[in-house]
Amino acid sequence: ILNVEQSPQSLHVQEGDSTNFTCSFPSSNFYALHWYRWETAKSPEALFVMTLNGDEKKKGRISATLNTKEGYSYLYIKGSQPEDSATYLCAFSSSNTGKLIFGQGTTLQVKP
Amino acid sequence: GAGVSQSPSNKVTEKGKDVELRCDPISGHTALYWYRQSLGQGLEFLIYFQGNSAPDKSGLPSDRFSAERTGGSVSTLTIQRTQQEDSAVYLCASRITGTGGWSEQFFGPGTRLTVL
Repeated sequence: ILNVEQSPQSLHVQEGDSTNFTCSFPSSNFYALHWYRWETAKSPEALFVMTLNGDEKKKGRISATLNTKEGYSYLYIKGSQPEDSATYLCAFSSSNTGKLIFGQGTTLQVKP
Repeated sequence: GAGVSQSPSNKVTEKGKDVELRCDPISGHTALYWYRQSLGQGLEFLIYFQGNSAPDKSGLPSDRFSAERTGGSVSTLTIQRTQQEDSAVYLCASRITGTGGWSEQFFGPGTRLTVL
């Protein structure tokens, strides 16, 4: 059984705070690790896909790192803004079919 | 161009009734996926189509669930004799394949199914 775990389950921060979330996944049969942002009443939006151990990706104030040997990824948000409020999902894939195994998500709420 | 669309956006049905959920993928996307999120759970894979065939349907929870895809485009997920535990948000996603390397999966807005 493939298990993807995310922590924390939810997070409340003040505007301007920096924050990070963790995703742990199976370290065997790794193909890719994905991060998505899912805002209420919208479709999940892809943030990053990482395939190589040591990968680091950055998009504006959001960045992610990948450690495939120990099976974890971190997502960082620098200087959180209210518009960052969303559920952040990580997903693991073990092949190129595109089938994704999702974690339960981390719900971030940024207070102005 | 248009993104992935799903219909209906909301569906309320009575226990025991059949429902059909529709997904229109992005034009030209050869792979199509169905996922669902039940209350308090993460997104759960249901089935994957490559063209019109489904090489992986391992996530369908029971034989009450079936899906088909026609013309390499529209897909329909059918739930027969719905039960209350079928209540969830059902998401469809599509992506282009055969280009080499990884291609992003684009999600639709989902169908919220409530079984009374």
